Amino acid sequence: TQLLEQSPQFLSIQEGENLTVYCNSSSVFSSLQWYRQEPGEGPVLLVTVVTGGEVKKLKRLTFQFGDARKDSSLHITAAQPGDTGLYLCAGARASNTGKLIFGQGTTLQVKP
Amino acid sequence: NAGVMQNPRHLVRRRGQEARLRCSPMKGHSHVYWYRQLPEEGLKFMVYLQKENIIDESGMPKERFSAEFPKEGPSILRIQQVVRGDSAAYFCASSTGGARNSPLHFGNGTRLTVT
Repeated sequence: TQLLEQSPQFLSIQEGENLTVYCNSSSVFSSLQWYRQEPGEGPVLLVTVVTGGEVKKLKRLTFQFGDARKDSSLHITAAQPGDTGLYLCAGARASNTGKLIFGQGTTLQVKP
Repeated sequence: NAGVMQNPRHLVRRRGQEARLRCSPMKGHSHVYWYRQLPEEGLKFMVYLQKENIIDESGMPKERFSAEFPKEGPSILRIQQVVRGDSAAYFCASSTGGARNSPLHFGNGTRLTVT
């Protein structure tokens, strides 16, 4: 059973289109992080959200943490080929020892 | 400031051999995490260590796998008597504290191939 469900799993779009990736759970998280991973490399942190309802922007990327802290979304405006990669959400739970639990990832391909 | 260093980047082992994966955390980081990743999948938690202590090994198979983070030197993930199913990318991450409050910095992984 996947604690964090990401959707869609695969997304192929044209340059300039907008897209949203979702990260859902039935569990509450004390914080949620989004990572981007390119082939052959480790994940790189994009953002951390900790407050329910929080919205953070990183250039063309907008991250939102759900009010109940059970879900999150990543919206990309006017996608570029450089946005291609694997996007991972990861959550830390208050009841955990401190480990980070990852979703299964969304593979994004942006065609020029 | 060097990032998280993992070596080797690629490791090929025959079935039954031992694999030793090394991870040097970022300077000043005393928390280390090991994750395993299959192609185009997310990362599966294996073990969380602080210096000389295993904090959480709930994701690590009970047999053949072990991890350590000694007072001096890198963290080691050891897989004994490897099988084909152990083939994967193994990522190490480090932080200054638990993942609830401290961002994780990942290395570029060790890709293990078991032939």
